[in-house]
Amino acid sequence: NAGVTQTPKFRVLKTGQSMTLLCAQDMNHEYMYWYRQDPGMGLRLIHYSVGEGTTAKGEVPDGYNVSRLKKQNFLLGLESAAPSQTSVYFCASSTGRGPGELFFGEGSRLTVL
Amino acid sequence: GEDVEQSLFLSVREGDSSVINCTYTDSSSTYLYWYKQEPGAGLQLLTYIFSNMDMKQDQRLTVLLNKKDKHLSLRIADTQTGDSAIYFCAEGAWAGSYQLTFGKGTKLSVIP
Repeated sequence: NAGVTQTPKFRVLKTGQSMTLLCAQDMNHEYMYWYRQDPGMGLRLIHYSVGEGTTAKGEVPDGYNVSRLKKQNFLLGLESAAPSQTSVYFCASSTGRGPGELFFGEGSRLTVL
Repeated sequence: GEDVEQSLFLSVREGDSSVINCTYTDSSSTYLYWYKQEPGAGLQLLTYIFSNMDMKQDQRLTVLLNKKDKHLSLRIADTQTGDSAIYFCAEGAWAGSYQLTFGKGTKLSVIP
């Protein structure tokens, strides 16, 4: 059972480079989310999607873009990476209905030099 | 906006009970959750409680909810070294779509 799969798991970028993180879920979930986790900051929501073709901003959306062209995939893009975007990124999905359990991927560790 | 607060660290001896506390601000919360994150892994749902319940017990886990004080706690009985992890409290509420707000997480260390 794959669940939520994130690629890549590790990446090192130089300031100004661009990259895309891919999240794929095989549970037919409507909702998908991108979070970042930083020490002492907990989880902060970057962007989310409530269905194919939809996206919405979360708590910390600046510097990121997302797309949900297919229901099973949610892409997170960094157009011009900055050291402040060094973090562990988590993708999650849910049915969007109660009790609304989130299923998380294993995380992608990004370092921006 | 919504806020979820929890202490950052807790240390207990193996075999003792652990109690992790959390306070939240959104009175319209539908469900409240405890997630567990083991090192190098994503979060996994540990348990949840519906907002109109006071208590939920699941094997070694007991969740207490004081809705008046907006206080949630997780008690782990007979704590084991395998319980060492970060525990996140979260509240869920409808705001156009169903959203979860997470606390910063409590790192539980179990001393053998």
